[in-house]
Amino acid sequence: GQNIDQPTEMTATEGAIVQINCTYQTSGFNGLFWYQQHAGEAPTFLSYNVLDGLEEKGRFSSFLSRSKGYSYLLLKELQMKDSASYLCAVLPVDSSYKLIFGSGTRLLVRP
Amino acid sequence: EAGVTQFPSHSVIEKGQTVTLRCDPISGHDNLYWYRRVMGKEIKFLLHFVKESKQDESGMPNNRFLAERTGGTYSTLKVQPAELEDSGVYFCASSQDAGVTDTQYFGPGTRLTVL
Repeated sequence: GQNIDQPTEMTATEGAIVQINCTYQTSGFNGLFWYQQHAGEAPTFLSYNVLDGLEEKGRFSSFLSRSKGYSYLLLKELQMKDSASYLCAVLPVDSSYKLIFGSGTRLLVRP
Repeated sequence: EAGVTQFPSHSVIEKGQTVTLRCDPISGHDNLYWYRRVMGKEIKFLLHFVKESKQDESGMPNNRFLAERTGGTYSTLKVQPAELEDSGVYFCASSQDAGVTDTQYFGPGTRLTVL
């Protein structure tokens, strides 16, 4: 089966950098997604990692280590609008579409 | 391009009643998924359509839940009769294909409360 762990809540200051970790235990692996979800809105796609290493997209970067079952989402130059939940989701090896989600990390950005 | 839309945004019903949720995927997306998040838990997969065909309904909790996608466009998810434990947020997502790199685009969800 799969088990995905993320911190429940994090707080950071506007302009700072924050790293949101995600660890997973899975019998197989087809990739890892990060989604952002503002309260009451749709989860929106941020990044996809399948190979080890860092994927950078503007202020957001995502890192994956398959051997360690570990990923992180790095948010730089935090803005107030970055306050949201960040969802880590894994694609198991036996499915190309059945996303397995963590419970999400609620990030609060303070002035 | 319009995103995935869901209707209603909120629904409050009494135990034993029937509720039908609707999802309109992004135009041209053959793949449609239903997920749900019950209180305090993670989002969980319910089922997957390719066009009008159910490809995978392994996540459907029981036979009180019926999903349809007649014509391969919008989809409905009916809960009949609703129970208290069905309360949660029901998300719909769509993708053009169903490969590992195909991003699923989510709707805002329908928040269902069963009293």
